[in-house]
Amino acid sequence: DTAVSQTPKYLVTQMGNDKSIKCEQNLGHDTMYWYKQDSKKFLKIMFSYNNKELIINETVPNRFSPKSPDKAHLNLHINSLELGDSAVYFCASSQATSGGAQYFGAGTRLSVL
Amino acid sequence: KQEVTQIPAALSVPEGENLVLNCSFTDSAIYNLQWFRQDPGKGLTSLLLIQSSQREQTSGRLNASLDKSSGRSTLYIAASQPGDSATYLCAVRGSNYKLTFGKGTLLTVNP
Repeated sequence: DTAVSQTPKYLVTQMGNDKSIKCEQNLGHDTMYWYKQDSKKFLKIMFSYNNKELIINETVPNRFSPKSPDKAHLNLHINSLELGDSAVYFCASSQATSGGAQYFGAGTRLSVL
Repeated sequence: KQEVTQIPAALSVPEGENLVLNCSFTDSAIYNLQWFRQDPGKGLTSLLLIQSSQREQTSGRLNASLDKSSGRSTLYIAASQPGDSATYLCAVRGSNYKLTFGKGTLLTVNP
């Protein structure tokens, strides 16, 4: 069983559309994250939730909205997609906010045309 | 603001060599440091996690060290193999709970 799973793996869409990426972890972790990896392969934190509560909210356009229905799921919804949103988005989880290793999903490659 | 730097940006070695990847960070107030590998088009695989109170961690042919006071970590890979070819990322978790990544070292091990 995959520990952190994201769907879809690839997402190709037109500018202006709204799309969602789903993430689930079966590790029993309390904390989940969304990262963005740009074309230069630089990884940057976007959001973090601990037990369904938002704890990290980086300077991200408010077109991006995370939603955590329970502590095993953290979905990312993106409104009015723009060309610059094209990137690979990674979901991750860890046991707690301060310690423990983070485990990453395989990524979702988003291409906005 | 935490900044993480990895040197070199790319490294190419013949199979069997021992090698060292370097990571430095500007804010020594960290909870832990984690080394990952990323294969092309794939996600990140956690290799080693060093808590701020630890000096090193070992897993198989990998050994990671941490010198928190000087803001440095190294990842030592012994007897490198072509299968070790990947991008190696260093990330530090600071007091603000954020994981800050370096830009990675692209390692190529030639058979």
